[in-house]
This record gives sequence, structure tokens and C-alpha cells, in this order.
Amino acid sequence: AQKVTQAQTEISVVEKEDVTLDCVYETRDTTYYLFWYKQPPSGELVFLIRRNSFDEQNEISGRYSWNFQKSTSSFNFTITASQVVDSAVYFCALSEARGAQKLVFGQGTRLTINP
Amino acid sequence: EAQVTQNPRYLITVTGKKLTVTCSQNMNHEYMSWYRQDPGLGLRQIYYSMNVEVTDKGDVPEGYKVSRKEKRNFPLILESPSPNQTSLYFCASTPGGSVNYGYTFGSGTRLTVV
Repeated sequence: AQKVTQAQTEISVVEKEDVTLDCVYETRDTTYYLFWYKQPPSGELVFLIRRNSFDEQNEISGRYSWNFQKSTSSFNFTITASQVVDSAVYFCALSEARGAQKLVFGQGTRLTINP
Repeated sequence: EAQVTQNPRYLITVTGKKLTVTCSQNMNHEYMSWYRQDPGLGLRQIYYSMNVEVTDKGDVPEGYKVSRKEKRNFPLILESPSPNQTSLYFCASTPGGSVNYGYTFGSGTRLTVV
């Protein structure tokens, strides 16, 4: 069965610090997809990134970067030079190509950036 | 604008009073789903639909009903709400009948059952 674990329940840092959010997943499928979503205080869920299991290249988008490591079943998310607007709950999720038709989400990490 | 629209955004109701949360998408997506979000538990799937007249249970379907009579609409029905259904609910859709593209979410419905 597919499972996603975000062990960090809450993280608090000072603005401009770098911060990494951890995501560990479990799946028996060889083809799967990983996602990160952001939930700002307003409550909506915003898509950040999608990665398939055959693409292990790290990705960078501005201050955001993602490190996908199949060897450790991890898909970590780093924010460089954090800003107050990055304060949100972040969810990691997994879907399987041949599994149940759903995204399975981790418990979420609440990130607070203090000025 | 391509979007998933949920209504209402906020709802306070009493135990046992039937309610419906509406969800509509304008992207011609085949797949639609309902999730609930609870602290410490993340998001959990309630029901999903692969297309019109095709629905199936997710991980936490007890106490909920759904229907898919039209492609764009996927209402969530609580026949007899109870306090343990107090939660934040999200409707989601994705194209092509496959969740592997990722979801487009509605803005959420915060439900309180007293």
C-alpha cells in the first residue's frame, strides 16, 4: 500500500534562513508520481511540483528546489532564503500508475517564517 | 478561468440535518474526488468518480454519499451529519481519468457540525 510520511509536524525559522521539508514515501509500484502542494493561511491547496519515478533530476524553481532520491525513497523540498510569504502548510503526495486511483498525502508540515 | 468551484465555503449545521456541498469544474475533467483534511491526518479520500455514473469509495466513505449525473458536477451529501464530520473538505479534479497528472483543488469547505 502506498504511504507518505512527513515526520516534521512544525518548523519555525527566521526569515532568510534556508529550510528543508522532508518527505519519505512507500510504494510497491515501479512507476509512480510525487507531488508537493502548498496550503497558505487562506486555506486553498496550491500545486507546486509533480515528479515521476523515472526522473531523478533535482529541480529548481526560483528559491524552491526539490531533491528526489529513489535509493532512500525521499522527495525533499528546500526553500532558500525563506520569506514570510512562505509560511504555510506543505503537503507531499504520491500516486501510483497501477495502484488505487488517488493521491495519498502525508500529514503535512506547518512552516512558520518569522520576520 | 479554469477552476473547481465549491459551495459553500463555510457551513455550521446541527447534528442530523441533511446537507449537500456542491462541486463543479469547468475543465471537462473525467476524474473528480472528495477529500477531508483533519489536523495530524493530512488529506484523506472520501469518494471518487472516474466519469459520469461511475463512483467508488475512498478511504473514509462512512457517513457520506456522492453522485455524478453530469461530468462537471460532483456533490457531496451528508444524510445525517455528526460532530465527527466536522472538517475541512476539498473537491478535486484531474484530466484523462488518471490521478497521475495531479489534482486541481477547489477552495475548500469548512464544515462544523454541532
